[in-house]
Amino acid sequence: KNEVEQSPQNLTAQEGEFITINCSYSVGISALHWLQQHPGGGIVSLFMLSSGKKKHGRLIATINIQEKHSSLHITASHPRDSAVYICAVTRGAQKLVFGQGTRLTINP
Amino acid sequence: DVKVTQSSRYLVKRTGEKVFLECVQDMDHENMFWYRQDPGLGLRLIYFSYDVKMKEKGDIPEGYSVSREKKERFSLILESASTNQTSMYLCASSETGLGTLPQHFGDGTRLSIL
Repeated sequence: KNEVEQSPQNLTAQEGEFITINCSYSVGISALHWLQQHPGGGIVSLFMLSSGKKKHGRLIATINIQEKHSSLHITASHPRDSAVYICAVTRGAQKLVFGQGTRLTINP
Repeated sequence: DVKVTQSSRYLVKRTGEKVFLECVQDMDHENMFWYRQDPGLGLRLIYFSYDVKMKEKGDIPEGYSVSREKKERFSLILESASTNQTSMYLCASSETGLGTLPQHFGDGTRLSIL
């Protein structure tokens, strides 16, 4: 079993829909990261959080430390949000352990 | 803004060749990382370095070596390339400090070994 599990693996939705991507982890962590990878490969860090909730524009990330679970929400989704979203956790020494990613497609 | 630059976006090499992948960062970061990304497996850490000439094995170091002679440059070396090393390779860097700091990624090198 992977230390970091994401669901769903693939998600297709219509423009405007509310999107939720889930991440569960099985180990103690110092922080959880949400990353975005567009076609072509480059990865951008969206959020880093160790408790509570963070918001940036239409993106919201939450984490429940007791339940070892995090969610990434996208409100009013747009085709430009289409990307792979990756959850990763830091276990120490700045090293990341990654989930397999969720491929999101938003259709116009 | 932090810039992490990988020398090639696409690379095609032959089995048995020695392959060098180069990564340069411009923010004086202490930590640098090499990952490979494969469908269904996500990103996996090959090697990382926390200082010049220092290196530590990641989860899948077999078949790879690294070099960090200068703080800004971290090279990944495939000693004798094999077809199972066909993959997307990503370099990242981060500062050292209290708590967790974000990693900054390059655009990746898609390597094909024929």
